[in-house]
Amino acid sequence: QKEVEQDPGPLSVPEGAIVSLNCTYSNSAFQYFMWYRQYSRKGPELLMYTYSSGNKEDGRFTAQVDKSSKYISLFIRDSQPSDSATYLCAMKGVMYSGGGADGLTFGKGTHLIIQP
Amino acid sequence: DVKVTQSSRYLVKRTGEKVFLECVQDMDHENMFWYRQDPGLGLRLIYFSYDVKMKEKGDIPEGYSVSREKKERFSLILESASTNQTSMYLCASRVTGGNTEAFFGQGTRLTVV
Repeated sequence: QKEVEQDPGPLSVPEGAIVSLNCTYSNSAFQYFMWYRQYSRKGPELLMYTYSSGNKEDGRFTAQVDKSSKYISLFIRDSQPSDSATYLCAMKGVMYSGGGADGLTFGKGTHLIIQP
Repeated sequence: DVKVTQSSRYLVKRTGEKVFLECVQDMDHENMFWYRQDPGLGLRLIYFSYDVKMKEKGDIPEGYSVSREKKERFSLILESASTNQTSMYLCASRVTGGNTEAFFGQGTRLTVV
């Protein structure tokens, strides 16, 4: 079993829809959870991060972490064509938990397409 | 504005060539990373460095080496390029700590022919 599972998609939805992106993980040491957005032919950029369980909202984006289920989600409200990108979840523990030198363990990314 | 700069956006090299990919960050970060990204496989860590002249193997170090002579610069070296090293290469840096962001470069699309 991979440490972090993420459906690669593509996920195609109409403009204005609510999008739900998800990752599951197996390492209970993970404490920090992040979502990166990567546009085509660009490097990933941090979109949101949360610590431990709970919700975090930033504009149209909401990140949720359920540590009991080892499940994280990113919701996008009122989706726009400019949201079309690959979304990568990433996570790490307080102490070294793989991914190298205080680094991150990434999901494979979900390719999201918002249709105008 | 924080910046991680990779020396080339696109490279085409021949099989057997020695290839250097350069990465420079201007944020005084201790940690630097090299990943490759392939469709269906996601980001895979090749090597990382947590200090000058220090390096550690990641998940897929075979066929690669690295150099970190200065804190701001981390180089990835393909000793003898092969076609299966055709990929997108991403450099990242971050400070040590739990909730700190990893900053990525724009990536280098390497094609080995």
